[in-house]
Order: sequence, then C-alpha cells, then structure tokens
Amino acid sequence: SAVISQKPSRDICQRGTSLTIQCQVDSQVTMMFWYRQQPGQSLTLIATANQGSEATYESGFVIDKFPISRPNLTFSTLTVSNMSPEDSSIYLCSVRGPGELFFGEGSRLTVL
Amino acid sequence: SQQGEEDPQALSIQEGENATMNCSYKTSINNLQWYRQNSGRGLVHLILIRSNEREKHSGRLRVTLDTSKKSSSLLITASRAADTASYFCATASLGLQGGSEKLVFGKGTKLTVNP
Repeated sequence: SAVISQKPSRDICQRGTSLTIQCQVDSQVTMMFWYRQQPGQSLTLIATANQGSEATYESGFVIDKFPISRPNLTFSTLTVSNMSPEDSSIYLCSVRGPGELFFGEGSRLTVL
Repeated sequence: SQQGEEDPQALSIQEGENATMNCSYKTSINNLQWYRQNSGRGLVHLILIRSNEREKHSGRLRVTLDTSKKSSSLLITASRAADTASYFCATASLGLQGGSEKLVFGKGTKLTVNP
C-alpha cells in the first residue's frame, strides 16, 4: 500500500485567486492522478502526472486552469487557478497499486 | 462519459441488516472495483473483481459481476453503524490505443446504518 499526504486538507479561497495543493507519497511512483469531486458528485479524473513530462489532461480540463508539477517520483502539485465558486470541490491525489488506487485524504476547497 | 451508475443513490438500514448496492456500466471492462468514502474524505479500496470472475468475497463483503448485463452488486452483510459511508464502483478499461488503464467512477450510494 501507499501512504499519501495532501496539503492543505481544506481551505476557503476568494474568487479570482489561485491555490496550490501538494501531494506527497511515501514511495516512488511513476504516475500520480488528480481527481475532482464536486459536492455530492462522483470523482472525475483531471489529469495524470508523470515525472519528467507534461501532465496528460482529460477532456474538459486544461493546463492553464489546472497546472500540475511533478518534480520527482514522490511529489506532485495541482494548482487551481483563477478560482470561481464552481471550483468548490474536494481535490484528491491518488497513485496506482497492484490493481487498485490509493487516495490521499483530499483537499476540500470552498471558493467564495 | 460516466461509466458506472450506482443504485440506490441512498440507502438507510438498521444495524445487523444486509445492504445491497448495484452498479451498471456501459462498455467493456478489465475489472470493476468498489471503494468506500467516509464523509467527504479520501477513498479506500474495498475489493476488485476481474472481468472473468463472477463472485468474490472479502470478510463481510460479497461482490458479484455479470458482464452480460454489465452490472455488479456489492453486498455488506450484518451491517454496523461504522459501515455508514458512500460507496462507489469504478470500472477499469484500457485507454485508447492501448494506453494506461483508466478508472471511471460511478455516482455512489450513500449508506446510512442506524444503530
């Protein structure tokens, strides 16, 4: 199993600002995944972050809005840029195990 | 597009009763997984069933998979108040052009077990 730490666990942000979420894994992993969970909804994959290359974004998500860094095999950041109330969500970092995904505790963002 | 669809959306039972949640999906899969989420926190993997398996058990959990009907069910037996959580199914399929496997999550069932 993998232990994943996310920071911040929650934050309240003002419209128009940006926030960076950090994800630290206790082991080296090739791919890290960023998900968004809007209130009362399921998880939607934002992007896959590979070390040493640009992140791969899913349909509906763009790098300008959700820039991702992956400086090494244990760490990644997701920035939510120019936030609006529609960005209020839980953002989850995950890594792949033998078959399943391991998740961090999530970062709950509220945008006012 | 959303792959898994769970029903019911919400389920409330008494402690000791069994809870059954269903998941339907639309396309071919490699495997189907069930996850649990406590109160908007991170998800915890419960069980994985491969496309060539029909039933799997883990403790009080029983999962079935019917690929002809593109459906799965999660049964929690002898439920406890601590089982109160949201349960999500997730289907794993190969990405386009043989790319890495992707997980697509359903909308989840919110289970409440009353003491």
